[in-house]
Amino acid sequence: KNEVEQSPQNLTAQEGEFITINCSYSVGISALHWLQQHPGGGIVSLFMLSSGKKKHGRLIATINIQEKHSSLHITASHPRDSAVYICAGFHNTDKLIFGTGTRLQVFP
Amino acid sequence: DARVTQTPRHKVTEMGQEVTMRCQPILGHNTVFWYRQTMMQGLELLAYFRNRAPLDDSGMPKDRFSAEMPDATLATLKIQPSEPRDSAVYFCASGLGAPGYFGPGTRLLVL
Repeated sequence: KNEVEQSPQNLTAQEGEFITINCSYSVGISALHWLQQHPGGGIVSLFMLSSGKKKHGRLIATINIQEKHSSLHITASHPRDSAVYICAGFHNTDKLIFGTGTRLQVFP
Repeated sequence: DARVTQTPRHKVTEMGQEVTMRCQPILGHNTVFWYRQTMMQGLELLAYFRNRAPLDDSGMPKDRFSAEMPDATLATLKIQPSEPRDSAVYFCASGLGAPGYFGPGTRLLVL
């Protein structure tokens, strides 16, 4: 059983839509890392969080420790948001365990 | 604008050859990570170092892979001998504890 599970695997949206990507994790994961991988392959760190909520521009990440669940939201989505979004859990503080990723396509 | 650099960016080699990938972490970062990404497995942790000491290399096939940090500005990942199943993108990441910054990756193709 994967320690970090994401849903959905694939997501399509029209420009302007509100998007939510979900991540569930198992015991032993102390914090979560949301990553974005562009079509060219580069990986960008979006958020690291162990509690509450973080916001950066149109991106919002939340985490519920009791339910072992995190969400990544994108408001007013844009075609340039098209990418693979990866949730990764910190196991033993600094070792990352990756989810399988959510492929997002936003159409104009 | 500090960033993690990796060389080479692309490598094509024949089965059996030695492959060396290099990573320059961001100056001041004390942890360095090596990851491998394939279509089938996604991203996997191969090894990581803290203050140049190897902490975990359990994700690495030890008969052919080796990871070292000869100094604080250089991390290397070697495969000897390489096999077609090693074809993947290899990412290096560095951080202060957690891997906050990823390099652009080395795309390896073993024929």
